[in-house]
Amino acid sequence: DQQVKQNSPSLSVQEGRISILNCDYTNSMFDYFLWYKKYPAEGPTFLISISSIKDKNEDGRFTVFLNKSAKHLSLHIVPSQPGDSAVYFCAARTNFGNEKLTFGTGTRLTIIP
Amino acid sequence: ETGVTQSPTHLIKTRGQQVTLRCSSQSGHNTVSWYQQALGQGPQFIFQYYREEENGRGNFPPRFSGLQFPNYSSELNVNALELDDSALYLCASSPWEDNEQFFGPGTRLTVL
Repeated sequence: DQQVKQNSPSLSVQEGRISILNCDYTNSMFDYFLWYKKYPAEGPTFLISISSIKDKNEDGRFTVFLNKSAKHLSLHIVPSQPGDSAVYFCAARTNFGNEKLTFGTGTRLTIIP
Repeated sequence: ETGVTQSPTHLIKTRGQQVTLRCSSQSGHNTVSWYQQALGQGPQFIFQYYREEENGRGNFPPRFSGLQFPNYSSELNVNALELDDSALYLCASSPWEDNEQFFGPGTRLTVL
């Protein structure tokens, strides 16, 4: 039962353009969502998060949008840079005192110079 | 500020053996979570420790066990290793009251 889904295994974007990574979830009890970035041979690095009481959160080049009715979130990266090439994971958690994160399977983003 | 560290970096074991993986949490973090990441998959939650007690467990058999020490460092023990246990094992730490977890570089376990 995959509660967090990233349906695009890979995405290629030209440098300077917008990268949009998508994530869908099925568990309506999720109330906090996070995006992590992972380089080979390193652990995931936290990028940006959003609470279920918001529909948008921005941090520099990164913006996360949340559509609760569609159970969908997306990560926008503008402008895309070569250093953004990595695997991006969407993660979600409920608020029951257990900070377990449920991850998607990841999207490999490649920025083309 | 020292981040999350894990040891060893790589490990090769044979079926039936036992393994212990270690994690030092980031300074000030009292909660440690362990995840298993198989090839091509996202990290899967194994269990979490808070104040030396297990605080939640994912869908993993009892041969996966853990400990947390008074300094908040942690161990993951796996008994009776199976081929499917081959994966990257990630440790993440956080303050109890925070939503964000900070990950270590992982231990790559290969079971032959």
